[in-house]
Amino acid sequence: NAGVTQTPKFQVLKTGQSMTLQCAQDMNHNSMYWYRQDPGMGLRLIYYSASEGTTDKGEVPNGYNVSRLNKREFSLRLESAAPSQTSVYFCAGGTAYTQYFGPGTRLTVL
Amino acid sequence: QKEVEQNSGPLSVPEGAIASLNCTYSDRVSQSFFWYRQYSGKSPELIMSIYSNGDKEDGRFTAQLNKASQYVSLLIRDSQPSDSATYLCAVNPLRGGGADGLTFGKGTHLIIQP
Repeated sequence: NAGVTQTPKFQVLKTGQSMTLQCAQDMNHNSMYWYRQDPGMGLRLIYYSASEGTTDKGEVPNGYNVSRLNKREFSLRLESAAPSQTSVYFCAGGTAYTQYFGPGTRLTVL
Repeated sequence: QKEVEQNSGPLSVPEGAIASLNCTYSDRVSQSFFWYRQYSGKSPELIMSIYSNGDKEDGRFTAQLNKASQYVSLLIRDSQPSDSATYLCAVNPLRGGGADGLTFGKGTHLIIQP
């Protein structure tokens, strides 16, 4: 997984709970991304950060917030989890010409 | 709305044959194109990228791009059982320097039959 790490690997939440998914990359890329993957829906972009200090909404940002802590780290926060946020979450780092994915976090919201 | 379309499959190919995977995209400004392989329960793995019309070869893999037809394909020669996976097509329109992420198709499930 080319230098992108994610924690945790698995998480179960109850509706209304909050949590932060952590992502770090050691590839020195400026850009980082959060995607979610759902059966039948493919990978969809939640948020991205083109560079340290900037973040922008992707296709499905509702219910999420992000923080680009520094060049290496990009976190995704669920303030009040909902069952519709049950998914596999992937962080990626890269450029316009290549993106490398982390191993993913499998999140279940009950 | 940017769209990337793939046949979901499953596509079944005998071992040793050529597997052909196809993808069409709707956004004419798309400039870079990618093929990812994803094994069940794993993360997507980049196997090919292509930016110019024509063919690009890397080992047993060949990516083909036709921007006029908005079509990109992946050929896998001498298919092996280990090639059995879901193949994701992705495009990047390279707006704003291209940092705004990829648009993915839903993937084609490929099965290589021994």
